[in-house]
Amino acid sequence: EVHLVESGGGLIQPGGSLRLSCAASGFTFSSYAMSWVRQAPGKGLEWVSGISASGGSTYYTDSVKGRFTISRDNSKNTLYLQMNSLRAEDTAVYYCAKVRQITFYYGSDAFDIWGQGTMVTVSS
Amino acid sequence: AIQLAQSPSSLSASVGDRVTITCRASQGISSALAWYQQKPGKAPKFLIYDASSLESGVPSRFSGSGSGTDFILTISSLQPEDFATYYCQQFNSYPLTFGGGTKVEIE
Repeated sequence: EVHLVESGGGLIQPGGSLRLSCAASGFTFSSYAMSWVRQAPGKGLEWVSGISASGGSTYYTDSVKGRFTISRDNSKNTLYLQMNSLRAEDTAVYYCAKVRQITFYYGSDAFDIWGQGTMVTVSS
Repeated sequence: AIQLAQSPSSLSASVGDRVTITCRASQGISSALAWYQQKPGKAPKFLIYDASSLESGVPSRFSGSGSGTDFILTISSLQPEDFATYYCQQFNSYPLTFGGGTKVEIE
């Protein structure tokens, strides 16, 4: 069965750093692009960052550029999100998500598998 | 960035009702649109890809239509388990974006 399990969330002070991990199982992790999507309390979904299957291409939403870094270790079947200079507005549940297909026609693809999420709270 | 405007933001309906949710893109995205269902405290569940293709295992009462800038999610006969929030998402180009969500509540 395909599984994604996030970890690494917690309470962090503004300006601090945190690294999220997403452990994948049940599929050939190295073949699929992946993304991080977040959801602030009581708010909608917001795509944060994406990475190609090889890790050679990365993408970010404007609000996290220069502060967050997405990476992956295909030998460990793990996706990461390094978050620096954290702000109160980064407070959210962070989900990792797998794209549906190995290759796709458009810029990316729909997300068919999601993890359960990990909560990040930025507060003093 | 491509913006997705969902309407309505919320609706009240009864079991058995036909429900339609609209998603409008700020520029053409061909058929690069997905729909998700989310229940409180849970991760989103994937429903539809490429605007109109139903994900395996999703009940046939769910359907999607549209292309370009205007898209619709239809639930043909609302069931108790369908009360949730629904999101559209475009994957035509980065940055990927989601609509603001439509909360479907019991009337």
